[in-house]
Amino acid sequence: AQSVTQLGSHVSVSEGALVLLRCNYSSSVPPYLFWYVQYPNQGLQLLLKYTTGATLVKGINGFEAEFKKSETSFHLTKPSAHMSDAAEYFCAVTLGNNDMRFGAGTRLTVKP
Amino acid sequence: GAVVSQHPSWVICKSGTSVKIECRSLDFQATTMFWYRQFPKQSLMLMATSNEGSKATYEQGVEKDKFLINHASLTLSTLTVTSAHPEDSSFYICSARERTGGGYTFGSGTRLTVV
Repeated sequence: AQSVTQLGSHVSVSEGALVLLRCNYSSSVPPYLFWYVQYPNQGLQLLLKYTTGATLVKGINGFEAEFKKSETSFHLTKPSAHMSDAAEYFCAVTLGNNDMRFGAGTRLTVKP
Repeated sequence: GAVVSQHPSWVICKSGTSVKIECRSLDFQATTMFWYRQFPKQSLMLMATSNEGSKATYEQGVEKDKFLINHASLTLSTLTVTSAHPEDSSFYICSARERTGGGYTFGSGTRLTVV
């Protein structure tokens, strides 16, 4: 079965600093990987996804992630944090046709 | 883009009563819908997967008689929490997939509080 592990339940950065949220996956077959953002009491908004093709994926709001098969990783980055980026971020994985499994989540705090 | 409407956004009910949550795909036909439960400051836990016209597949540990899922049409799935108890209080989120390999679209969630 597929799974993801998010390293760090809480990440704090200063406004303008680099954002790095870590995600490692476990899968017996090539996975589809996703990053979602969740604001309080709201559903999930898709930031980006990797299915096949280019391993560097660009998403909305300046986020991007790189699929590294050798490291089984799909870390999320943003060059410069904005106050509005403060939220909960979830990494997720599917095996194409299967249900989506989520990591534990990482809460991003952005300091002025 | 694909939109999933989830209703109600929040509900308060008394212990012992039943509550129905609806999940509708507004501009696409959802062959598969998923129901998740999220406790405060925790991740989403898959409860069940439902395919249109067939019985839902529940995850281990989820009581199928308590959490009734119906996916009678390609645009509507419902989750009914029967004989609700305070421990059922949680945030419930649905997700819909248009077709095999298609994207996943999430509803905005339902905050259930059982008093």
